[in-house]
Amino acid sequence: SYVLTQPPSVSVAPGKTARITCGENNIGTRSVHWYQQKSGRAPVLFIYYDTDRLAGIPERFSGSISGNTATLTITRVEAGDEADYYCQVWDSNSGLWVFGGGTKLTVL
Amino acid sequence: QVQLVQSGGGVVQPGGSLRLSCAASGFDSINYGIHWVRQAPGKGLEWVAVSWYDGTNKSYTDSVKGRFTVSRDHAKNTVSLQMNSLRAEDTAVYYCARDLSSYAFEIWGQGTLVTVSS
Repeated sequence: SYVLTQPPSVSVAPGKTARITCGENNIGTRSVHWYQQKSGRAPVLFIYYDTDRLAGIPERFSGSISGNTATLTITRVEAGDEADYYCQVWDSNSGLWVFGGGTKLTVL
Repeated sequence: QVQLVQSGGGVVQPGGSLRLSCAASGFDSINYGIHWVRQAPGKGLEWVAVSWYDGTNKSYTDSVKGRFTVSRDHAKNTVSLQMNSLRAEDTAVYYCARDLSSYAFEIWGQGTLVTVSS
């Protein structure tokens, strides 16, 4: 089965840049989507089709892909960005939707 | 306002059944795939099932095949998840979600907790 690998946690100081990775072989052949989930809340789609921001999402959030890794970059990190972030793809081989394990972003 | 409102959930014994509902408002659900995603306590997101926009095609993750069934009521603009033969490992918050071009999950319900315990 298709597995997306994310680091369990990332810590960053306010005002700095956070990078959350999502890796798997051939990820470049798929569209990657990113979600933010705050404690006790439903996930929110932030980035879709690798790089597109959903309406209303700050420009501080951006997505990219290089080689076998997709990256969610958050610039000028704020305390309110503290949340779990998940990457997700549709696996065309199995016809199923797959999530990464999630990354907890801590703002120091 | 475009939203999904969930109902159902609760506590059920192992082997029991439960039905979750997801009511769409502000849009016609027949035009979209509606998914179910779950999250076990303290764990990550897991895709569970989908009813494609036409309602005839459905897919399930392997662990729920033969036990869970997704269905639509077009008149009520609602999608339901019938869960039978429930196991402890099905304990989770269940979310319904509207897809974005079939590949991502754009609109999410508020989630409902299902607890399978004796």
